[in-house]
Amino acid sequence: AQSVTQLGSHVSVSEGALVLLRCNYSSSVPPYLFWYVQYPNQGLQLLLKYTTGATLVKGINGFEAEFKKSETSFHLTKPSAHMSDAAEYFCAVSAVGNQFYFGTGTSLTVIP
Amino acid sequence: DTGVSQDPRHKITKRGQNVTFRCDPISEHNRLYWYRQTLGQGPEFLTYFQNEAQLEKSRLLSDRFSAERPKGSFSTLEIQRTEQGDSAMYLCASSTRDRYNEQFFGPGTRLTVL
Repeated sequence: AQSVTQLGSHVSVSEGALVLLRCNYSSSVPPYLFWYVQYPNQGLQLLLKYTTGATLVKGINGFEAEFKKSETSFHLTKPSAHMSDAAEYFCAVSAVGNQFYFGTGTSLTVIP
Repeated sequence: DTGVSQDPRHKITKRGQNVTFRCDPISEHNRLYWYRQTLGQGPEFLTYFQNEAQLEKSRLLSDRFSAERPKGSFSTLEIQRTEQGDSAMYLCASSTRDRYNEQFFGPGTRLTVL
């Protein structure tokens, strides 16, 4: 079975500061891991994904995440927050199958 | 725009009424997924189709819910005898069979049951 835990339902950072959103997963098989962003009243947009290969994954809008098997983590980072980054972020896990299991989300606020 | 589209974007209905939502996937995508997202939660898987075949259903999909994809293109999700607990955002996503882990989401249909 797969599951995801996102630590911190709300995160606030100052504009220009480091963004760190935490995600820990549970999976009985090698996982595929994803980060999605959701703006108000919109669907989900894929930021980045890890399937196999390099454990440091770069995505859109300057975001990146590192798959750490020993820590069962897939934390999302961005060196410098921008006002446009304010949104809801979801971590998701999938096995070699079709179901995605999403975390409960982290709301990011960027303070000017 | 060649993304996933959903109609309507918003639906308000009274308890006990039936509602139907439509999803049009990206044209070359043969897999289509439905998710439900309640306030403060992440999306929860409901069901998915490969072409016209419904291959998997979540236990969340009660008898009042039915989904179809008759021609392997657009899909409909119908909820009969709506309840207040059905109020949620219903999201549709699509992918190709070979790249099923790249799911592209539509904007969702927000259902409010009064």
